Amino acid sequence: GAGVSQTPSNKVTEKGKYVELRCDPISGHTALYWYRQSLGQGPEFLIYFQGTGAADDSGLPNDRFFAVRPEGSVSTLKIQRTERGDSAVYLCASSLIGLAGARRETQYFGPGTRLLVL
Amino acid sequence: ELKVEQNPLFLSMQEGKNYTIYCNYSTTSDRLYWYRQDPGKSLESLFVLLSNGAVKQEGRLMASLDTKARLSTLHITAAVHDLSATYFCAVDGSGGGADGLTFGKGTHLIIQP
Repeated sequence: GAGVSQTPSNKVTEKGKYVELRCDPISGHTALYWYRQSLGQGPEFLIYFQGTGAADDSGLPNDRFFAVRPEGSVSTLKIQRTERGDSAVYLCASSLIGLAGARRETQYFGPGTRLLVL
Repeated sequence: ELKVEQNPLFLSMQEGKNYTIYCNYSTTSDRLYWYRQDPGKSLESLFVLLSNGAVKQEGRLMASLDTKARLSTLHITAAVHDLSATYFCAVDGSGGGADGLTFGKGTHLIIQP
């Protein structure tokens, strides 16, 4: 079956512009996560969706970052007034949720979107 | 704040040798993950360790978890070139009850013929 897909694979933009990054999770996975990975570092958690709602957005660095998942499947990460420091690989992951109250399963990662802000 | 530390961060070794990568984390967690990342690629899940004393093996890789010591190890046996990659450990929770994974900085492994 298909894995997590992300588009675009690469995005170059200018400082101050607005960008949208898209994630299509594995079919049937209700949990969706966004991470950001800077060069030479491990991924950093940004936001977690359970279904349509953002269950945890504590990792978003500031209010320029926003994410939606209106129908509980595809998610879009939106960055306003981009800054050079936003340049990174943005990774999306999805996972199954176990029975109510059970812990989440393994997160499967997409290929990432490489964002470069000039 | 949950912290995850890996060591070494860089490792160059010869084929056929054995080595261990260490992963320490700062707060209690009952789930630890190991991922592999090839250059320019995404993360591939290797192991999920669910309880104290858990040990899992796949080919030349073996992972273990000691929750009391807050330590996981990834052991490489008789290394081969194809295992060259960056290996990350990750722990559930970003501190304060958050729901994402907290990753270490990764161990960049180069295996030379």
